[in-house]
Parts: sequence; structure tokens; C-alpha cells
Amino acid sequence: DQQVKQNSPSLSVQEGRISILNCDYTNSMFDYFLWYKKYPAEGPTFLISISSIKDKNEDGRFTVFLNKSAKHLSLHIVPSQPGDSAVYFCAASTLISNFGNEKLTFGTGTRLTIIP
Amino acid sequence: DAGVTQSPTHLIKTRGQQVTLRCSPKSGHDTVSWYQQALGQGPQFIFQYYEEEERQRGNFPDRFSGHQFPNYSSELNVNALLLGDSALYLCASSSPDTQYFGPGTRLTVL
Repeated sequence: DQQVKQNSPSLSVQEGRISILNCDYTNSMFDYFLWYKKYPAEGPTFLISISSIKDKNEDGRFTVFLNKSAKHLSLHIVPSQPGDSAVYFCAASTLISNFGNEKLTFGTGTRLTIIP
Repeated sequence: DAGVTQSPTHLIKTRGQQVTLRCSPKSGHDTVSWYQQALGQGPQFIFQYYEEEERQRGNFPDRFSGHQFPNYSSELNVNALLLGDSALYLCASSSPDTQYFGPGTRLTVL
């Protein structure tokens, strides 16, 4: 049972345009969401997170939106740069205490390619 | 400050063998989690260690076991290897607000 779903295996975007990556979840107990970026031969790198008490969080070019009623979140990258080409994973957690103690449930990833 | 380190980088084993993977957490982190990432999939949680005890476990058989040492480093052991155990094994160490991943160990079972 895939509790976190990324339905687009790949996405190509022109450099300078907006990249939008989508993620859906089914477990209503999830209340903390993260996006990780992964290059080949490296481990996932944390990008940005959002708690369920918010609907938006921004960090530079990266913005995450959360729609709890739809159980949907999205990552916006503006403007997209060639270095953004990577696999992006959406992950979710229940935040019982401090986050570092919680297991992450990952989606299957979306490969983003930025076209120069 | 070194991040999360894992060894070895790559490993090839045959079915039925046993394997041990190692992880050193980021300095100051006392919690280590292990994940398995099969080809084309997202990482799946195996288990988590804190204060040398297994604190949480995912849906993996008992063939998967682990250990945490007093210096917070950790080992993942897999017995009776199956072809389906071929994957990237990721270690993550935790701060209160995020988890930092190592580069992983690529295990190939022939």
C-alpha cells in the first residue's frame, strides 16, 4: 500500500520557467512533509519541509504548498536552473515528538530535467 | 564537519550469504535510521536505533538486523541474502528537525 504517491515519474522544464512537482498521500495521520533531492551516487538531500498547521512554506526559489483536505502537496521551483536536474522525493511523517525520531515514508520520486 | 558516512560503497554477494553494512552518523547525532531503496522506488524504512536499542521497525523480515555502538555508529546485517535484497541501502542520522542521509551502499545479490 503506497501511502505517499508521486504519479509523475519524470518532468522536463525549460530553464528559467517554473517546475511544479506533485505528491499525494493517503494516511491522514501524516502531519509533517518534506522534499528531498537526490543526485546519482549521493544520498537524498533535504530541501524544504512543511508542517500540517501551515499551507505554504518558502525558502528562496523553493516553495511547498500543502492542501490537507485534498491530501496533496506540491513543490514549486522558480526559476528553474540546470543544477535542479535531479530526482525529487516527497516524504511524510507523523510528528509525535521531535522530528528526528520519526520514520519517513517516501514516494517513488520524480526525475526533473531542466532543459537549457 | 563530516556528514553521514557509509561503507562500503559497493558490494556484490551471492544468494544465501550474509552482509554487514556500516554507518557513522553526523557529529552530535545519536539516532540512526536505515532505509532500503530498490531500483525505481523511494527509500523504505527498515529500522531506527537510539541509545543502542532498536526503537522502531518497518515491514522487513528478521533477516534484517542491526546494532548501534556507544559512539552512535551503526551496522545493518542481512542474513540469507535473496536476489530481491539488491538495492541501495541508506543510513540517516537525525537532528531534532531533520534527517541527514549518507551516500548509501549499493548491494548487488547474484
